[in-house]
Amino acid sequence: DQQVKQNSPSLSVQEGRISILNCDYTNSMFDYFLWYKKYPAEGPTFLISISSIKDKNEDGRFTVFLNKSAKHLSLHIVPSQPGDSAVYFCAARGPSYTGNQFYFGTGTSLTVIP
Amino acid sequence: EAQVTQNPRYLITVTGKKLTVTCSQNMNHEYMSWYRQDPGLGLRQIYYSMNVEVTDKGDVPEGYKVSRKEKRNFPLILESPSPNQTSLYFCASSHFQGFEQFFGPGTRLTVL
Repeated sequence: DQQVKQNSPSLSVQEGRISILNCDYTNSMFDYFLWYKKYPAEGPTFLISISSIKDKNEDGRFTVFLNKSAKHLSLHIVPSQPGDSAVYFCAARGPSYTGNQFYFGTGTSLTVIP
Repeated sequence: EAQVTQNPRYLITVTGKKLTVTCSQNMNHEYMSWYRQDPGLGLRQIYYSMNVEVTDKGDVPEGYKVSRKEKRNFPLILESPSPNQTSLYFCASSHFQGFEQFFGPGTRLTVL
């Protein structure tokens, strides 16, 4: 059973506009959330993270928002650039009694159109 | 250059023939992990290790073994591979607790 879900397999956005990628999770005990970006034929690379005690974290063009009551997080990319075209994975760290296990979503493929 | 290396990058094998995929990192990371990526299922954690001689099961450990005898190496062992283990495998490492993992380039395994 998928504990971290990314319900949009793909997203297309015009260059310069905002990209919003969404992620939902089921386990309220997750304490840390991360976004990874993956280009074809490469491993994922870390993008941005947020602790469950915060509701927003910003790093340059990337902002992650966490809504714990809705068990929802989102990644905003502003402005979107063609180099942002990649697959984005949302991940969550499991509760402490599971050790340091990580759960990933299925990914959203972002295409930024020049 | 800080990196996670995996070997081989591509492997085609037959059912039942034992194989090992190696993983090595040069960042002195405590945490190492193996994932498999399958269409429609995303990345799923197979095993992880918090430090030398400490390993734990992830979400999908069945059919896999790991060992962590040295800090830098974390091999993935398939004792008797089956076709359902055909997948893209990633090794990753990070400092303690697994945040911000650095991923290797992936190993594409096909089991016939």
